[in-house]
Amino acid sequence: EVQLVESGGVVVQPGGSLRLSCAASGFTFNDFSMHWVRQPPGKGLEWVSLITWDGGSTYYADSVKGRFTISRDNSKNSLYLQLNSLRTEDTALYYCAKGMVRGAPFDFWGQGTLVTVSS
Amino acid sequence: EIVMTQSPATLSVSPGERATLSCRASQSVYSNLAWYQQKPGQAPRLLIYGASTRATGIPARFSGSGSGTEFTLTISSLQSEDFAVYYCQHYNHWPPITFGQGTRLEIK
Repeated sequence: EVQLVESGGVVVQPGGSLRLSCAASGFTFNDFSMHWVRQPPGKGLEWVSLITWDGGSTYYADSVKGRFTISRDNSKNSLYLQLNSLRTEDTALYYCAKGMVRGAPFDFWGQGTLVTVSS
Repeated sequence: EIVMTQSPATLSVSPGERATLSCRASQSVYSNLAWYQQKPGQAPRLLIYGASTRATGIPARFSGSGSGTEFTLTISSLQSEDFAVYYCQHYNHWPPITFGQGTRLEIK
């Protein structure tokens, strides 16, 4: 059974930093691209970032480019998202999601971890 | 960036009836279109990919159609568990991957 479990969400002040983690199991982690998607409270879904199976390529939404960094450790079956220079508009539930064979769409999702940016 | 527009924003349908949800892309995404269902307090669930292929375990009452810029998700006979928010998503010529704003399917 595929499982994705996010962690690391906290309340942080504007300008602060934190790192989110996603622990994967139930599939061959290093065969698939992985994504982060976020959802502000009561709003829709926004794709945030993608990392290819080997970590060789990364992509970001314009809204987070230069502030967020995606990474993975295939030896630990783990995905990460480093969030820097946080803004109030970054407040959201952050999901990790597994890409299908071509990288998308997303066939499995975690339950999310909540990041709140507030002073 | 490809903009995905869903209509209507809210759809009220009675159980047992058919529901038809629409999604339009600002430029052609060919068949690189997925649909997701999200219930309150839950993560999204993949329903349809490739515009018309049901994901594993998805009941046959869910069907997708369309290509290019116009797409439809049809639920043939609504069950109580189908009332949720539905999102379309393109994955053509990405990044970025973009979602529609969602259609809330509610009980009439």
